[in-house]
Amino acid sequence: EAQVTQNPRYLITVTGKKLTVTCSQNMNHEYMSWYRQDPGLGLRQIYYSMNVEVTDKGDVPEGYKVSRKEKRNFPLILESPSPNQTSLYFCASSLSNAAKNIQYFGAGTRLSVL
Amino acid sequence: QKEVEQDPGPLSVPEGAIVSLNCTYSNSAFQYFMWYRQYSRKGPELLMYTYSSGNKEDGRFTAQVDKSSKYISLFIRDSQPSDSATYLCAILNTGGFKTIFGAGTRLFVKA
Repeated sequence: EAQVTQNPRYLITVTGKKLTVTCSQNMNHEYMSWYRQDPGLGLRQIYYSMNVEVTDKGDVPEGYKVSRKEKRNFPLILESPSPNQTSLYFCASSLSNAAKNIQYFGAGTRLSVL
Repeated sequence: QKEVEQDPGPLSVPEGAIVSLNCTYSNSAFQYFMWYRQYSRKGPELLMYTYSSGNKEDGRFTAQVDKSSKYISLFIRDSQPSDSATYLCAILNTGGFKTIFGAGTRLFVKA
């Protein structure tokens, strides 16, 4: 089954404690992206990757890091989480980011930073 | 001004009603328009995708784009309780490298 898998689904942590949210896709997609979703603000792109070792900032990259060492994996790293990073996070992938290419989303990771 | 504006609702309708969901956008250069549906505790899934002005129909769903007004709409005919979800409009920016999402409209269809 084609899917994007995020882990963990729920995470509660404290300010300053480094964490990683993993994302893996089994569709051999080139393009992967991380979004955060906040009430009234919709989905905002954090980082995206056009292919292995190619990453770039989205609209809200501050406080986040990513890496793309393998095509299937695109982890999101919070080096020093802060309460304003409490949010619902989604990973997405598509064959490319041209028109007609559907973005497939993971089920989401709900993060609370205390 | 946000690039894409969408009324967050919530919108509550009785089963069988025609639902109209709308977004406006600011950049006339945008060309690709999408609607995603997001059920509670799930990620968004692509519902419909259109290019340029006009209508596109898929079963009970019709997507409409009016480029002159910079207005996009999603109509749901004969709405069902299973249509209860958040609907997000999305636009692919010029060059096709970034998808810009609206805030999403939460829809409740009552049986």
